[in-house]
Order: sequence, then structure tokens, then C-alpha cells
Amino acid sequence: GAVVSQHPSRVICKSGTSVKIECRSLDFQATTMFWYRQFPKQSLMLMATSNEGSKATYEQGVEKDKFLINHASLTLSTLTVTSAHPEDSSFYICSELGPNTEAFFGQGTRLTVV
Amino acid sequence: DAKTTQPTSMDCAEGRAANLPCNHSTISGNEYVYWYRQIHSQGPQYIIHGLKNNETNEMASLIITEDRKSSTLILPHATLRDTAVYYCIVRDIQGAQKLVFGQGTRLTINP
Repeated sequence: GAVVSQHPSRVICKSGTSVKIECRSLDFQATTMFWYRQFPKQSLMLMATSNEGSKATYEQGVEKDKFLINHASLTLSTLTVTSAHPEDSSFYICSELGPNTEAFFGQGTRLTVV
Repeated sequence: DAKTTQPTSMDCAEGRAANLPCNHSTISGNEYVYWYRQIHSQGPQYIIHGLKNNETNEMASLIITEDRKSSTLILPHATLRDTAVYYCIVRDIQGAQKLVFGQGTRLTINP
């Protein structure tokens, strides 16, 4: 299946700072990427859908000014958590649509805001 | 909202077949059934998907009932490394194509 590389795998940041998470499609040009968030012992929650060259579509309840998504190329999408707070601490996962409509996921980024 | 219902947890002995059920009684004609699994602290892994015919690949088999209201994922010879949360997802491959995850089944393979 397609390979999705997500970095960093872990990050600790201070409250009030911003953190950027990168998601790269290594062997496939991904027109569409998805960003998820997962709190401990819970399922994945879709945050937004990003399409290359256009604005992301955010799910209800997700603040677009806090979670900035950029999908400037077919191989790179980024999620920036701005002015992070401890409640933003979570596991963030990106996903791309593969050639046969299956989705492939990155390894995830564990964000801890202190 | 997720459109599927799965048991919260299941156990299976190593070497035996693990059969994971999923109910999707409101599935529509354009929607496929997808299965993913998530091993602790990793991103989900694609397993298999199907529309109405049974499917098999190197990882698993997917059995979909004739009325498409339920399906079963079969891991033919479970190993300890198959311990994970398994998600059954119904998804329209047209339009937004997004995957909406339910709570999944926590499968534990016991030695």
C-alpha cells in the first residue's frame, strides 16, 4: 500500500507556542488528505479534509484558526496547532486516499503541551 | 456519526481463527465496508474492503451478508501481533470519501 510519512512522531511544547506536523506521501500523489485527532482510550476523530491547492474543510466543532492546514503540493500536507494549550495534547494522525480509494495513515504524532 | 456497531472487545486463542462481526444495517447501495486495525500508539492499518462480494487478501477475509446489513472479518490464523483495535467502517467512495471511525473492537490474542 501507499507509504505516508508523518513527522515528528513525538513533540513536547510549551503552552502558547505553535507546533507544525508534516505528512508526506512518499510514493503516491495525494490529492486529498485527512487529519484526525485521538485522545487516550478513544477512537479517531476526523478534524478536517484537505485538498491540494484549496482550503481545507473542517468538521463541526474544529477551530480552523487554531488548527491550520496547508496542502500546497500533492505530496505534503501540514497541520499547525497554534497557541497550543494542554487540552490540545493528543495523538494526531494524517491519512491519504490511495489509488483504489483505501486510505493510508501516517504513524501519528503524539503532542504534549506543558 | 459512525454507521456501524461492533462488540467492544473479543478474545481469541493464538493459532485459531478470529471472527470479528460488524452490523451496518443502514448501509446504502453506494457504500463500501472497510476494515482497519490500530495497534497501540500507531496509525491505523488498512486491512480489506468490499461492496457485496466476499473478499480475501493476504491479511484477512471479509464476508458480507447478502442483504449487506452485516459483515465479518476473519483472521484465519491469529497471532499475538494481531492484538489491536479493529474498526469496521462504512464509506461512500463518491463525494467526500472521508472515513468516520466508531469505537471498534479491541481484539486480544491469547497465547
